[in-house]
Formats: sequence, C-alpha cells, structure tokens
Amino acid sequence: QVQLQESGPGLVKPSQTLSLTCTVSGGSISSGDYYWSWIRQPPGKGLEWIGYIYYSGSTYYNPSLKSRVTISVDTSKNQFSLKLSSVTAADTAVYYCARDYVPGGHFDYWGQGTLVTVSS
Amino acid sequence: QSALTQPPSASGSPGQSVTISCTGTSSDVGGYNYVSWYQQHPGKAPKLMIYEVSKRPSGVPDRFSGSKSGNTASLTVSGLQAEDEADYYCSSYAGSYKVFGGGTKLTVL
Repeated sequence: QVQLQESGPGLVKPSQTLSLTCTVSGGSISSGDYYWSWIRQPPGKGLEWIGYIYYSGSTYYNPSLKSRVTISVDTSKNQFSLKLSSVTAADTAVYYCARDYVPGGHFDYWGQGTLVTVSS
Repeated sequence: QSALTQPPSASGSPGQSVTISCTGTSSDVGGYNYVSWYQQHPGKAPKLMIYEVSKRPSGVPDRFSGSKSGNTASLTVSGLQAEDEADYYCSSYAGSYKVFGGGTKLTVL
C-alpha cells in the first residue's frame, strides 16, 4: 500500500521560503508510471495544483506560481520536495503531496496534508 | 489557466440521484479524456472517485458514475447516502498542466 507523508515547518514568515518534503513508502518514486505532485488548499477554499516532477527530474509548474516554485526529487531517499519563495499570507494553506498517474493524470494516493501558516 | 467551473452547491434526499457539472474549455476538459473527480470530507485528504472521465477505482461504489459531453464533465451520485455528504472536486489534464474545479458542496437532506 503506497503511503505519502508531508513534513516541514508549520509556520513561515512573510517573504521567506516555504520548504516541504514528501516521503513515499510502499512504492518506488522511480517508477516511470507516475508523476509526483504538490497541491494546496487555502482554509475554506478549493484545491490548487502547484506542480509535479517525474523521477528523471522533469518538472511542470502552475503558470501562476511558476516564478516562485521549485520541485525537486531525491530518488535515493524516495522523497520529493517543494520550495515556494517570497511567501505572503495568501500562501497559507494545507499542502498535499500526491501520486499522479501518467500520462493524463489522476491523483490516486494523497498524503494527509500539512498546514503551513505564513505569519510574522 | 483558469479553474474549471462547478456549481458551489448541490443537494438531494437519501435514495435520490444528483449530478454535479464541471465546465472547462477545449484546452482541458474538452480536449482530453483525463477528467477525474475527488471526494473530500472535512479535515480529510481528497479521495479519488472517478478517473479518465468514467472509470471507478477499486472500492468506489458503483453509485458513482462519470461522463463527459464537449467541454462539460459530470459526476452522478445515485442512491444518495448520508456518507456521500462532502465536497466534490473535478480535475482535468490541460496539456502538461492540471486544473481543478472550484468544488461543489453536496448536502444530503
């Protein structure tokens, strides 16, 4: 059974960089059948796709966030990570990592989510 | 890249059927058969209910079905049960990108 677990600071100051890691267990992140995605949900609002990475390192980002987002992968640790720079209060959200089935994609496994609050 | 359009709310009585729409464009919903639907209960992660327009993952009741016509996809829940009360989100592939709908709150009366 595949499991994903997000980890990282729950509080980030404005203008700083948000950093989260997703650890995958029960399956290999190097499988060519999947992308590995980050998705977020501001409190009381809908889901927003942030971007995804393939095990090879290829990335695709939401155009609205592209200038601030970096997603990376560490296949040796079966992890992938998110960095979001220059955060503001609008970036306060529950951040989910999810497995995304290639090619067209559906998110079949999700982490439990982690709340990141941007505040001084 | 705009969000897909869903009605903010839908409702039905136990045993009834309800359909939730998801409208996009020819660049997303209309252009690919890669529409998926997710159920989210409060405080929980979303759960995949339908993928590739109309396929159900193992374990999802056959009361849930999906379809698509043109730029609009639909999720139908038949034989409504109390546990179906949740938020529902559609998502579509959009040519290397992914886009979600704004979500629909389904209330079982």
